[in-house]
Amino acid sequence: EDKVVQSPLSLVVHEGDTVTLNCSYEVTNFRSLLWYKQEKKAPTFLFMLTSSGIEKKSGRLSSILDKKELFSILNITATQTGDSAVYLCAVAGTYKYIFGTGTRLKVLA
Amino acid sequence: GAVVSQHPSWVICKSGTSVKIECRSLDFQATTMFWYRQFPKQSLMLMATSNEGSKATYEQGVEKDKFLINHASLTLSTLTVTSAHPEDSSFYICSARSSINQPQHFGDGTRLSIL
Repeated sequence: EDKVVQSPLSLVVHEGDTVTLNCSYEVTNFRSLLWYKQEKKAPTFLFMLTSSGIEKKSGRLSSILDKKELFSILNITATQTGDSAVYLCAVAGTYKYIFGTGTRLKVLA
Repeated sequence: GAVVSQHPSWVICKSGTSVKIECRSLDFQATTMFWYRQFPKQSLMLMATSNEGSKATYEQGVEKDKFLINHASLTLSTLTVTSAHPEDSSFYICSARSSINQPQHFGDGTRLSIL
């Protein structure tokens, strides 16, 4: 059965800290891995990764995929209170996304 | 770019009524749209996938007669919850993508409360 596992489930840090969120997967017919940020409403798209070893970066956020070991990490440097959210990892299989349960990040001022 | 609009954002109605939720892609043509349901502090659960002009594909356990999906154009899909009951109360989210190699973009969700 396809599955996506995220860790940690929750995390509390202080502003300025760096955090690393993990996503491992077992999905048949892997096409891509995606990261989303969900605050109070629906998820907003962060990154889409298809190739191993190529880092994608957007401001303080970066992500990389390892297709051999079947995992991805999402890094956030110099965290801010506005980074507080649930971060969802999804893997695109043949027809649909398989979502992890998310990592709930809280950044304290 | 890639904006998806979902309406309404919040609905409260009596048990037995039907509720229609709209999902529009505002700046791209969505060949495929998806409908999800999310319970508090849980991840997204896919309900159905709809391709423009064809019947929706429902996930196992989702009643197609209860959750009617229409995808009549490349920018609009609707989900109708028929004869809604309190157990249908949930957060419903749509997403859309322009092609299979593009990410899904999500609407803001609809919080449905059935009294």
